[in-house]
Amino acid sequence: DIQMTQSPSSVSASVGDRVTITCRASQDINSWLAWYQQKPGKAPKLLISATSSLQSGVPSRFSGSASETNFTLTISSLQPEDFATYYCQQANSFPFTFGPGTKVDIK
Amino acid sequence: EVQLVESGGGLVQPGGSLRLSCAASGFTFSTSWMHWVRQASGKGLVWVSRINTDGSDTIYADSVKGRFTISRDNAKNTVYLQMNSLRAEDTAVYYCAKYGSRSYDYWGQGTLVTVSS
Repeated sequence: DIQMTQSPSSVSASVGDRVTITCRASQDINSWLAWYQQKPGKAPKLLISATSSLQSGVPSRFSGSASETNFTLTISSLQPEDFATYYCQQANSFPFTFGPGTKVDIK
Repeated sequence: EVQLVESGGGLVQPGGSLRLSCAASGFTFSTSWMHWVRQASGKGLVWVSRINTDGSDTIYADSVKGRFTISRDNAKNTVYLQMNSLRAEDTAVYYCAKYGSRSYDYWGQGTLVTVSS
């Protein structure tokens, strides 16, 4: 199985801060990496697919990029509604696997 | 508007069975691959199962293989997850999710399954 790791596990930030979350795959996933946002008691919401493709309706302050097996989600200017947990997921091969999550909370 | 509505969760004793349903609307269900993903309380997301468009191809996580069965009824726009021989470690919120562009573009609200005596 492909293992996904995320760092940091949590980050405290202020409104307006730039936040970067990193996800690493244990092997090549051919850019089939998605990012989800989840708020407490709610279902996950797709932000980015295929490493860098922003979903319709998702604010442009969210962006995704990659370097080999390292993937990055960047929030350019954190807004109050962005405080949540973020998960990466590989969809290259079964079993699909998720990272353990990164909680973004208020500093 | 795309909607996925799960139902069928509840409290069940170890070794018992439950069937989850996920009713879809707002998109062409019959051409969509569907998945189930679960999340134990306070934990991360775990992929459970996938079914193709006509139900002829299914795949499962090792942890549920042989105990869970995914199926679909395209006439009813519904995907199911039959869960047998339930264990305490199956306790989780179960989400159905629509698969598109190598990601889950829509999720249901989830249904809670609790396995306990």
